[in-house]
Amino acid sequence: QSALTQPASVSGSPGQSITISCTGTSSDVGGYNYVSWYQQHPGKAPKLLIYDVATRPSGVSNRFSGSKSGNTASLTITGLQAEDEADYYCNSYVRRWPTYVFGTGTQVTVL
Amino acid sequence: EVQLVQSGAEVKQPGESLKISCKGSGYSFNTYWIGWVRQMPGKGLEWMGILYLHDSRTYYSPSLQGQVTISADRSISTAYLQWSSLKASDTAMYYCASARDGTFWWNSWGQGTLVTVSS
Repeated sequence: QSALTQPASVSGSPGQSITISCTGTSSDVGGYNYVSWYQQHPGKAPKLLIYDVATRPSGVSNRFSGSKSGNTASLTITGLQAEDEADYYCNSYVRRWPTYVFGTGTQVTVL
Repeated sequence: EVQLVQSGAEVKQPGESLKISCKGSGYSFNTYWIGWVRQMPGKGLEWMGILYLHDSRTYYSPSLQGQVTISADRSISTAYLQWSSLKASDTAMYYCASARDGTFWWNSWGQGTLVTVSS
């Protein structure tokens, strides 16, 4: 099972919006609405940001939103803040194994 | 709130065995899945496998099957990741994570266990 494809890096200025894509196949991203997103600051454990494509857990800022079209899921961060500088990973259920697969990861830089 | 606490950092030599742990609290252990995730130095997250605590069903990533063993002891709410013969390429940070049965997201994570394999 190959990793889902994400851009290596995305950057934006404070207050701007950025979108991170996550491209898979019909066997993972496109086949199920079980895409989740995780934020990882350096030296820290990942933190759940979005689940089931577009649902935010309690306590996660509404500046984070998720969506999906076909085999590509997306994470949008609006009103970019310095604290958003981190690595972001998508994750999808893969029924074939059955297990999960992460995206390649995206480093977000706040200029 | 679900909490996962992992065992401490390990330094091992190639060929040695190792078992690291992930202790859960704050939830009904048996209704959850535990997953193990590897993060090699400077690299991304990679699933190693998942285990259903209720009946110990285990699914391994195809690329890692046979290289590690995932297990659990329900009596002490603890999951394990085990190697029989470590290699230098096993050097990585290892995280455990939990997901309630019937959900498809991992909302609690351990703090990570750094494993260093070097001669």
